[in-house]
Amino acid sequence: SQQGEEDPQALSIQEGENATMNCSYKTSINNLQWYRQNSGRGLVHLILIRSNEREKHSGRLRVTLDTSKKSSSLLITASRAADTASYFCATDGGDYGQNFVFGPGTRLSALP
Amino acid sequence: ETGVTQSPTHLIKTRGQQVTLRCSSQSGHNTVSWYQQALGQGPQFIFQYYREEENGRGNFPPRFSGLQFPNYSSELNVNALELDDSALYLCASSRGAGGRIDTQYFGPGTRLTVL
Repeated sequence: SQQGEEDPQALSIQEGENATMNCSYKTSINNLQWYRQNSGRGLVHLILIRSNEREKHSGRLRVTLDTSKKSSSLLITASRAADTASYFCATDGGDYGQNFVFGPGTRLSALP
Repeated sequence: ETGVTQSPTHLIKTRGQQVTLRCSSQSGHNTVSWYQQALGQGPQFIFQYYREEENGRGNFPPRFSGLQFPNYSSELNVNALELDDSALYLCASSRGAGGRIDTQYFGPGTRLTVL
């Protein structure tokens, strides 16, 4: 079963708008990562946030982590058409790879 | 673009056949993980190799097996293919230390179709 669950499943916005995606998980984690995937290709790592961090920024990306609510959010500011992709959160909950779990993803469409 | 490569890009097999997928990890990485991604789903962890040994396995049957070589490249073998094995297979390399997963760098994937 998948631990990370992204919300919403799909999101359509206009270029220039901000996009917010949420991720919830069930068990304790070491870190949480966000990845992007363009049309069935390989995943691209966006940002990693550790369990003792609350917020991280990378360019137009802002990630927050609330371990008490077991949730994270990814904010993409001033979206571009090139941001159109699927976004996945993945949680690392232990010492072995079987604890690295991806959610089903959010499909973002940034319309020109 | 990451330094992780996978071959082949696409593959068509029939039910019951066997398949081998290959992955070359990024330079300096000693850990390779394999994932299966069905259409419209997130990747599902198959197994991980660290320093040539299996270091964790997801909920996949024994007909999914793998190898890691001294240069840290890796193979995924699937025997007795079933229709449900049709998926995108992704490998990811990382700098591991006993299996803890930090940032993973993914290859472009192999699209397997089982007819």
